[in-house]
Amino acid sequence: GQQLNQSPQSMFIQEGEDVSMNCTSSSIFNTWLWYKQEPGEGPVLLIALYKAGELTSNGRLTAQFGITRKDSFLNISASIPSDVGIYFCAGWGYNQGGKLIFGQGTELSVKP
Amino acid sequence: EAGVTQFPSHSVIEKGQTVTLRCDPISGHDNLYWYRRVMGKEIKFLLHFVKESKQDESGMPNNRFLAERTGGTYSTLKVQPAELEDSGVYFCASSQGAAGGNTIYFGEGSWLTVV
Repeated sequence: GQQLNQSPQSMFIQEGEDVSMNCTSSSIFNTWLWYKQEPGEGPVLLIALYKAGELTSNGRLTAQFGITRKDSFLNISASIPSDVGIYFCAGWGYNQGGKLIFGQGTELSVKP
Repeated sequence: EAGVTQFPSHSVIEKGQTVTLRCDPISGHDNLYWYRRVMGKEIKFLLHFVKESKQDESGMPNNRFLAERTGGTYSTLKVQPAELEDSGVYFCASSQGAAGGNTIYFGEGSWLTVV
């Protein structure tokens, strides 16, 4: 089946640093989504991208929908301890029906 | 407004036993999804209900897994008999319309450990 390759798998950074993670696919998606999962919680939507080339921000988070429709990145600026969690990218395509395809997740640790 | 709720939050069972997970979607959401994440891997799609009908069950691992959504409201996911590789967190999610253009809301997950 379709797969999303998400990298890096984990990151250990100092508070205040910027973070970047990305997802690539061999297939085209029509929607890219970025979720965050905190311990004991379910994934929560951070940013949704609907058009190729779209660049969207949500506070300190910025995400882009790649021009080729096969990739997306998420940047977090000036990280803080509460940014800790697992970040997942997810893609949806018209030929996917109702399902989202998720990446493997990027586990972020922030040292105060 | 209540979010997606799942029960139980944690379950530890022995291999060969049966476990039933329950999901209550957000009221009014016709679309209900089950996903699973095995430790360190991606969140994988299991199946999708539209009201009480199974729209897509292509992600169900095998016939030990049975999902139902009686009356188009809550859903159950039964694993019988459970195997060690079934351990993981099972997420339920719901949305008003189909995925893509509509926000999917996830529950907190049911964490299953098979020993």
